[in-house]
Amino acid sequence: GDSVTQMEGPVTLSEEAFLTINCTYTATGYPSLFWYVQYPGEGLQLLLKATKADDKGSNKGFEATYRKETTSFHLEKGSVQVSDSAVYFCALSDRDSSASKIIFGSGTRLSIRP
Amino acid sequence: DVKVTQSSRYLVKRTGEKVFLECVQDMDHENMFWYRQDPGLGLRLIYFSYDVKMKEKGDIPEGYSVSREKKERFSLILESASTNQTSMYLCASSFPGSSYNSPLHFGNGTRLTVT
Repeated sequence: GDSVTQMEGPVTLSEEAFLTINCTYTATGYPSLFWYVQYPGEGLQLLLKATKADDKGSNKGFEATYRKETTSFHLEKGSVQVSDSAVYFCALSDRDSSASKIIFGSGTRLSIRP
Repeated sequence: DVKVTQSSRYLVKRTGEKVFLECVQDMDHENMFWYRQDPGLGLRLIYFSYDVKMKEKGDIPEGYSVSREKKERFSLILESASTNQTSMYLCASSFPGSSYNSPLHFGNGTRLTVT
């Protein structure tokens, strides 16, 4: 079945460092890919998404490119801030499937030191 | 902005108690979901509903039931709470359609402890 694998955390970086959180997936079809973020004390919220190969999703300085050849959707940011401290979830769903078919990774906790 | 409100942030219940977790959304979304979030396991879908009085089992429905009598409200019920149901519970809602066009909107979660 479909699955998502994320790099394990926690990840701790200094402010202004470059961030990469790895995400790879296994899917039988052509999934849509997502990154959700969960700030402390809050629920998850959609950060960015991509629907087909080579698409790049971006938001709030974060980017992720849908790489079909490596089945990856790594999250990157050029210069992190303390306010980026959160848990990040990679997720996939079959294209055009119902919202119930979203599969989440296990989450990566990111902590940014001032 | 969509608001999904979960009635309690923290709950402490005893083993064997019947527990109700309530969720209300204010954007007229047809779809509503209950997930549990555990360290290292990510989010796992318990139940979901596409319409009033409709419910579908997710990946881990055992020990849970749900109720959706009104469109805006989706309740999760633990018939007889057990310690292995200690977890963070997240409610979410969305419009109908593909997940790409209808992202999930989450509440802030209820942290349930069963002693």
